[in-house]
Amino acid sequence: AQSVTQLDSQVPVFEEAPVELRCNYSSSVSVYLFWYVQYPNQGLQLLLKYLSGSTLVKGINGFEAEFNKSQTSFHLRKPSVHISDTAEYFCAAEIQGAQKLVFGQGTRLTINP
Amino acid sequence: DVKVTQSSRYLVKRTGEKVFLECVQDMDHENMFWYRQDPGLGLRLIYFSYDVKMKEKGDIPEGYSVSREKKERFSLILESASTNQTSMYLCASDSGGNYEQYFGPGTRLTVT
Repeated sequence: AQSVTQLDSQVPVFEEAPVELRCNYSSSVSVYLFWYVQYPNQGLQLLLKYLSGSTLVKGINGFEAEFNKSQTSFHLRKPSVHISDTAEYFCAAEIQGAQKLVFGQGTRLTINP
Repeated sequence: DVKVTQSSRYLVKRTGEKVFLECVQDMDHENMFWYRQDPGLGLRLIYFSYDVKMKEKGDIPEGYSVSREKKERFSLILESASTNQTSMYLCASDSGGNYEQYFGPGTRLTVT
């Protein structure tokens, strides 16, 4: 069965510091990979997605993620965070053709001034 | 802008009541989804629909049913609400071709 694991439930960082949110997936078939963000009291919105091609994917708000097939990882990074990045972040995977997503447990990113 | 709306932001119901959660999207998307979100568990898929009157079970369909009579509307039904169904419910839609799901703001349901 396919699963998505986010290794950290909470990540506190200081403003303007770099951050990495970790995501690993398990699957024996090719997958499409996604990062979604949920700001307080809102639904989820797409940050970025990997479908094929370049393994480094750039998304909105300065975030990027790197697909690593050998390590089955899709970690999310930002070189310098802002208070407004405080949110919960979800990694998700879709087996090609399945038309449904499997989500990780979520990582709550807290930015301290 | 794609818009997915849900009928209520907050809902309080009693055990045993029949509960309807409504979701409407305005982008003519074929696919619609219902998830529940619980702390530490992420989002779990309850049901999804590829087309009008079509439905497929997700990972946790027990205790729920769905209805899709029109393309833009997807309803989640709790036949007899129980306290373990207290949760945040999120609706989403996508067109199937661009690999991006659009989410509604969620309904926080409390069953007492």
